[in-house]
Amino acid sequence: QVHLVESGGGVVQPGRSLRLSCAASGFTFSSYAMLWVRQAPGKGLEWVAIISSDGVNRYYADSVKGRFTISRDNSKNTLFLQMSGLRAEDAALYYCAKRVSPGGTSALVGSWGQGTLVTVSS
Amino acid sequence: EIVLTQSPGTLSLSPGERATLSCRATQIIDNNYLAWYQHKPGQAPGLLISDASIRATGIPDRFSGSVSGTDFTLTISRLEPEDFAVYYCQQYGWAPYTFGQGTKLEI
Repeated sequence: QVHLVESGGGVVQPGRSLRLSCAASGFTFSSYAMLWVRQAPGKGLEWVAIISSDGVNRYYADSVKGRFTISRDNSKNTLFLQMSGLRAEDAALYYCAKRVSPGGTSALVGSWGQGTLVTVSS
Repeated sequence: EIVLTQSPGTLSLSPGERATLSCRATQIIDNNYLAWYQHKPGQAPGLLISDASIRATGIPDRFSGSVSGTDFTLTISRLEPEDFAVYYCQQYGWAPYTFGQGTKLEI
């Protein structure tokens, strides 16, 4: 059974950095593209970033490009999101998500974690 | 960037009724790479439909998806109490992988 557990959320001041992690289990992590999707309070879902199974290809939403970096450690079955220059509008529940099938680079999500909450406040 | 506009924002119906949710794209989505997700409070979202009309594993056949040009529709033929949730469409073929703003289906 697929299990995705996010961690690293918390309260951070504007302009500071935070690193989110997602521990994956129950599937062959190194075969799947992985994503981060966020949901601001009272708002809808927003795709943030995606990384290919081998970590070579990475794409970002314009809203986070240049500030956030997605990465992965396939030896540890872990996905990361390094967030810097945080803004009030980055406050959200951040979901780690797994592509529905191995290979490919489309962002069709088959499994989601429960999310980790990021609050940006001075 | 493909913008997805969902309507209505909120849909108020009763169990047993038929629900029709709309998602309009600003341009043709190649290969109909459009998905529908269901999101209930306190839970992670779940995939309902991919490729505009293919039900995900385990999704009951009261859920169906269709497409006409840039207009995508999710239909729930007979609402069950557990179907009341927020529904999102998403285009997943090319970055940026946009979501619609959601339709809240309420009793």
